[in-house]
Formats: sequence, structure tokens, C-alpha cells
Amino acid sequence: QLQLQESGPGLVKPSETLSLTCTVSGGSISSSSYYWGWIRQPPGKGLEWIGSIYYSGSTYYNPSLKSRVTISVDTSKNQFSLKLSSVTAADTAVYYCARLRLEQLAFDYWGQGTLVTVSS
Amino acid sequence: DIQMTQSPSSLSASVGDRVTITCQASQDISNYLNWYQQKPGKAPKLLIYDASNLETGVPSRFSGSGSGTDFTFTISSLQPEDIATYYCQQYDNLPPGITFGPGTKVDIK
Repeated sequence: QLQLQESGPGLVKPSETLSLTCTVSGGSISSSSYYWGWIRQPPGKGLEWIGSIYYSGSTYYNPSLKSRVTISVDTSKNQFSLKLSSVTAADTAVYYCARLRLEQLAFDYWGQGTLVTVSS
Repeated sequence: DIQMTQSPSSLSASVGDRVTITCQASQDISNYLNWYQQKPGKAPKLLIYDASNLETGVPSRFSGSGSGTDFTFTISSLQPEDIATYYCQQYDNLPPGITFGPGTKVDIK
């Protein structure tokens, strides 16, 4: 059974960089049938796609966040990572990593999510 | 950018009722539309892909239809475990891009 697990600091100071890692187990991140993605959800609000990456390293970002986002992949560790720079309180959210099925661009497996709070 | 709207934003229905949620895209998206269920404190779960295809393991009381700009998600007989927020999600292939709708919260009356 595929599992995804987010990890990283739960508290980030304003203007600093948020860094999270997603570890994939029970399957290979190098599968040609999937992208891997990050989605966030501010408390009490809806879902926002942040960006996605293919195992080859090709990345696709939400245009509204593109200038601050970097997603990378480490196939040797079966992990992919998110960096979001210059954070503000508006970036406080639950951050999810998920597998994105290539054919329908549907997120079919999700991590449990991790709350990141931006505060001094 | 493609914008997604959902209606209603919330609804309350009785167990056994038929529940319908609509999702509208700001431009033609063919059938590039997926539906998710999110229960409180949990990650979303994929229910429907490509507008009308039921994900493996999802109960048959859930269904989806539509194409172009107008889409419908239906629960044929609402069950207590269906209490959740439901999101539509559109996708573009070239380049890959994803937008979620604002969500519809479903409660039991």
C-alpha cells in the first residue's frame, strides 16, 4: 500500500523559507505514470495546488506562487521536497503531499498533512 | 486562468436524500474534472475522475456527469458517513495545471 508522509518544521518565521519533505513508501517515486504534488489548505478554507514534479525533475507550479516555490525530487531516497520563500502569515496552512495520476491529473494518494504556522 | 465555482456552498439534507452539487468552469474544460471528499481533519479522497468515472472502491451511490463548463456531482442516497466537504478540481494538460473549486459542505439535517 502506497504511503506518503510529510515532514518538516511546524513553525516558520515571517520572511523565512518554509521547507517540507514528502517520503514515499510502498512504491517507487520513479514510476512513469505519476507526478508528485504539493497542495495546501489554510485553516477553515479550501484547497490550493502549489505545484507538481515528475521523477525526471520537470516541475509545474501554480502561477500565483511560482516566484516563491521550488519543488525538487530525490529518487535515491524516494522523496520530494517543497521550498516556499519569503513566507507571511497568509502561508499558514496544512500542507499535503500527494501522488498525481498522469492520465487524469487526479490526486489518488495523499499524505496526512502537516500544519505549518508562520509566526514570529 | 480557469476559475471554478461550486454551488451551493453548503447544504443540509436528510439521510436517504438525493444530494446534487454543481461545479462550473469559466471556460470549456472538456471532461477534465475530478471530485474529492474531505472529512474534518483528514486528507481529501478521490471519488470521481474525468467527470464521470468512479474511482475503484468508491460506493456506487456517488456519481458525476457533465462536460464543457457545467458539471454535476450526485449522492443518490445520503448516508451519515457522507458528511464532508466536496471539492471539484479541473486540470489542464499543456502545461499541467490544477485548480480546485471552493468546496461544498454537506451536513445531515
